[in-house]
Amino acid sequence: DQQVKQNSPSLSVQEGRISILNCDYTNSMFDYFLWYKKYPAEGPTFLISISSIKDKNEDGRFTVFLNKSAKHLSLHIVPSQPGDSAVYFCAASTSSGGSNYKLTFGKGTLLTVNP
Amino acid sequence: KAGVTQTPRYLIKTRGQQVTLSCSPISGHRSVSWYQQTPGQGLQFLFEYFSETQRNKGNFPGRFSGRQFSNSRSEMNVSTLELGDSALYLCASSLNTYSTGELFFGEGSRLTVL
Repeated sequence: DQQVKQNSPSLSVQEGRISILNCDYTNSMFDYFLWYKKYPAEGPTFLISISSIKDKNEDGRFTVFLNKSAKHLSLHIVPSQPGDSAVYFCAASTSSGGSNYKLTFGKGTLLTVNP
Repeated sequence: KAGVTQTPRYLIKTRGQQVTLSCSPISGHRSVSWYQQTPGQGLQFLFEYFSETQRNKGNFPGRFSGRQFSNSRSEMNVSTLELGDSALYLCASSLNTYSTGELFFGEGSRLTVL
């Protein structure tokens, strides 16, 4: 039972254009969502997060949108740069019961930004 | 500020053996979590420790165990290794806050079971 799904294993975009990575979840108890970026041979690094009380969070070129009714979130990268090429993981957690240290991850989307 | 340090980075074992992996969290971080990453399953939660106590556990068999020491360093152990245990094992640390789930990951220990 996969509670966090990233249905696109890969995405290719041109430098300067927008990258949109999508994520769906099934557990309505999730109330905090995060995106991590992972380069080969490195651990995932935190990118941006959003609480369920918000529908948008922006940090520089990165914006995360949350649609709770659809149980869907997306990460927008504008403009995309070749250095953004990496695997992006969507993750979710629930603060109930103090279990927010347990992140449930999607399987990742490989983003390739072409010069 | 030093990041999360995991040792060893790479190791090869044979079926039936056991392995111990080590993790040193970021200074001041008291929560340590372990994740297994495989191509087919992505990142899966193993367990989380805080103040030497296991607070959360994922859906892994009892062959997977861990512990945390008083200095917050953590070890995980896998006994009776199986081929399917080949994976990248990631350790992550965090501050003890209940407001976010942000974790800081190490580079991982890549285990190959032959």
